Amino acid sequence: NAGVTQTPKFQVLKTGQSMTLQCAQDMNHNSMYWYRQDPGMGLRLIYYSASEGTTDKGEVPNGYNVSRLNKREFSLRLESAAPSQTSVYFCASNEIAGYGYTFGSGTRLTVV
Amino acid sequence: KQEVTQIPAALSVPEGENLVLNCSFTDSAIYNLQWFRQDPGKGLTSLLLIQSSQREQTSGRLNASLDKSSGRSTLYIAASQPGDSATYLCAVRMDSSYKLIFGSGTRLLVRP
Repeated sequence: NAGVTQTPKFQVLKTGQSMTLQCAQDMNHNSMYWYRQDPGMGLRLIYYSASEGTTDKGEVPNGYNVSRLNKREFSLRLESAAPSQTSVYFCASNEIAGYGYTFGSGTRLTVV
Repeated sequence: KQEVTQIPAALSVPEGENLVLNCSFTDSAIYNLQWFRQDPGKGLTSLLLIQSSQREQTSGRLNASLDKSSGRSTLYIAASQPGDSATYLCAVRMDSSYKLIFGSGTRLLVRP
């Protein structure tokens, strides 16, 4: 099925560990995004990539890095995980022209 | 700074009732507005997208309206069913940006 695929679905990290969340889309979309969702706070944008080769900070970029590996893939890296990064992470994509966004099913990350 | 608010935060209704979910935004310079559904532990499913030049969109029992000048959107669900139980999120995209700004959602429970 066409869509946005995120891996892993669940992850537990110890404070200070690093990891990379993977995201891939097969809809030939130009733009890709990483959001985090915390209880009672809706979704907040971490980083986005308007097109292949570009990345920009969102609302809450501290503690994260991203890589737009190619048009299909956009990864999110936590270099030194902190308990405040416990959250559900969603990847999304869309066309630059601004039609609807498609979201992945999320990665539930717990940092202990 | 754009702020998106959804009221109420939670709603419980008996099956068969027609209901309205509200979304308000503070900056009317939006490019489009999108309604999503999120089931517990799952990702976001796009329901309806309204471009800034449109007044409403319909899909089955769902109807979304947009009044840019007053900064409001409503999602109308006709003849609600227990399967409609989920969290409903609205999000706006601004003219000047690719990113979505989310409300914190309305958690809907439809009782059999």
